[in-house]
Amino acid sequence: DAGVIQSPRHEVTEMGQEVTLRCKPISGHDYLFWYRQTMMQGLELLVYFNNKAVMDDSGMPKDRFSAKMPNASFSTLKIQPSEPRDSAVYFCASSPLFQMNTEAFFGQGTRLTVV
Amino acid sequence: QKEVEQNSGPLSVPEGAIASLNCTYSDRGSQSFFWYRQYSGKSPELIMFIYSNGDKEDGRFTAQLNKASQYVSLLIRDSQPSDSATYLCAVNGNTDKLIFGTGTRLQVFP
Repeated sequence: DAGVIQSPRHEVTEMGQEVTLRCKPISGHDYLFWYRQTMMQGLELLVYFNNKAVMDDSGMPKDRFSAKMPNASFSTLKIQPSEPRDSAVYFCASSPLFQMNTEAFFGQGTRLTVV
Repeated sequence: QKEVEQNSGPLSVPEGAIASLNCTYSDRGSQSFFWYRQYSGKSPELIMFIYSNGDKEDGRFTAQLNKASQYVSLLIRDSQPSDSATYLCAVNGNTDKLIFGTGTRLQVFP
């Protein structure tokens, strides 16, 4: 398997524009996590899915962020409208079964810059 | 109070020394504990996990867990310059959420 695949790797956009980040988890993994990483806050969990259903989105600003997982092999994180404070690296991770010692595998991340 | 806390560092150690990285967590119901390593510009990768009190060794790495004190640590023996990275502590609580600390930057100098 190619691992978790994220696109795009880099995104530069103007404030107010819509941004869509994409993630393809490892085949067979039931869990999918979206994290945002900044120097100040570290890795923040935005939202996670289990079998395509949102389990917890309490870390996600709901007024501008939305996350979907229409099928087991694809997820999106959308920001509309984008703001400079959204600039960060966004990671997607997947896991087969999140119990005890199950590892979460990370994608390469999307570096988002909002100017 | 953050759910998972780490000293941001940097922690500087000479090559060959033992590096000790610490992490505390707030949720007493936490069950699984992970250490990830992240090189600059790269994604996190798992080094070790632990879920029972005590020590767990894997090569040069030893994870230590003390649930009563809500404390988990990572020891790196015979530190190498290639170990220079940010080390992230992650905790899995009563739910399936995996919560990360902000990480400790380790610098190993020759």
